[in-house]
Amino acid sequence: SQTIHQWPATLVQPVGSPLSLECTVEGTSNPNLYWYRQAAGRGLQLLFYSVGIGQISSEVPQNLSASRPQDRQFILSSKKLLLSDSGFYLCAWASSNTGELFFGEGSRLTVL
Amino acid sequence: AQKITQTQPGMFVQEKEAVTLDCTYDTSDQSYGLFWYKQPSSGEMIFLIYQGSYDEQNATEGRYSLNFQKARKSANLVISASQLGDSAMYFCAMREGQGSASKIIFGSGTRLSIRP
Repeated sequence: SQTIHQWPATLVQPVGSPLSLECTVEGTSNPNLYWYRQAAGRGLQLLFYSVGIGQISSEVPQNLSASRPQDRQFILSSKKLLLSDSGFYLCAWASSNTGELFFGEGSRLTVL
Repeated sequence: AQKITQTQPGMFVQEKEAVTLDCTYDTSDQSYGLFWYKQPSSGEMIFLIYQGSYDEQNATEGRYSLNFQKARKSANLVISASQLGDSAMYFCAMREGQGSASKIIFGSGTRLSIRP
């Protein structure tokens, strides 16, 4: 069966520090992968999605970037965090049939 | 451009009553999919129900049903016989197009609170 994991689960970072969130999918090949951000009490904002290795589509211009170095690995990065980057980050992969999203456990980022 | 609208930021419902959560969408694509997800306070995203744009029957999954009005571009979620455990955030989402290169966007959500 397919599983998706992301880490770390929680992190507190100072403004201006770098960021790396990692997401790994198992049990499926060539998945469409997504990064979403959820501000406190708000909806999910699509940040990036990827249909294959090295293929990244950016939805929102910001100081974040994404990379897909391997088929089942999706990484969200920043060189210098801003206060506004705080939030709950969710990685997901999509079923090829319906497009249903399967989410990771989420990473809660607090930028101080 | 895609757009998903959920006009109810919060709702209070008495236990055992039915509740309808509203969702309207905007797309120029003929092929698309609509989803509802539940997010309890733990933060996990739980898939509830799916409706394809070409599906003629409204989708149902247990106590959940999706009232799909294609001409009106609405995809409301109906929860029958609500339970205390239904208290959560509910998100409507849309996938435009088929297969690869499909992005999936979410509405702003509705916070549902069930009263005992």
